Amino acid sequence: QKEVEQNSGPLSVPEGAIASLNCTYSDRGSQSFFWYRQYSGKSPELIMFIYSNGDKEDGRFTAQLNKASQYVSLLIRDSQPSDSATYLCAVNNRGSTLGRLYFGRGTQLTVWP
Amino acid sequence: GAVVSQHPSWVICKSGTSVKIECRSLDFQATTMFWYRQFPKQSLMLMATSNEGSKATYEQGVEKDKFLINHASLTLSTLTVTSAHPEDSSFYICSARDLGGGTYEQYFGPGTRLTVT
Repeated sequence: QKEVEQNSGPLSVPEGAIASLNCTYSDRGSQSFFWYRQYSGKSPELIMFIYSNGDKEDGRFTAQLNKASQYVSLLIRDSQPSDSATYLCAVNNRGSTLGRLYFGRGTQLTVWP
Repeated sequence: GAVVSQHPSWVICKSGTSVKIECRSLDFQATTMFWYRQFPKQSLMLMATSNEGSKATYEQGVEKDKFLINHASLTLSTLTVTSAHPEDSSFYICSARDLGGGTYEQYFGPGTRLTVT
């Protein structure tokens, strides 16, 4: 069973704060890790991916991966109301058929002005 | 880059009819496309994995005779919901993996909202 766990939230932060979203996964063979953002009524949008331990930064977003702890996180700096969405963590295992992703249930983030 | 389109964006059909949804990768080739379904306030559920030129792989519990998938080219996959019933009403989303990317990112289409009356 390849499980991906996220705190469903809701997570509520004020504008300008750092939002921290967490994800754990059960399969040690997992190789690739993704964060998607999904606005209400819309499809998911890829915002970050990370393959190696450590941090990866892209603008206001930082993904952090710790394979030993089977933990991946997403930090959003200077949070904006437009960041309010559900954030999905997804994991790929090299043995997964045709590259399927395993998704968490998502964390709902609200950034209030 | 990495744009995926879906058509139609929404459809209303009568119970017992069939509906076809198209998924296209516009600026890349996709050997593999994935079909998901999402009910309101629930997580994504993978229905099937579509491979160009071969039969789709369905997830457990998904009826392959009801949800027909055809991946005829490297840029087009279709999902046909046959004999639709109100319980099939949902948000259907496809995603595609960039063949040339060498990685596992999936890019999602905008989704198709199906309502069966």
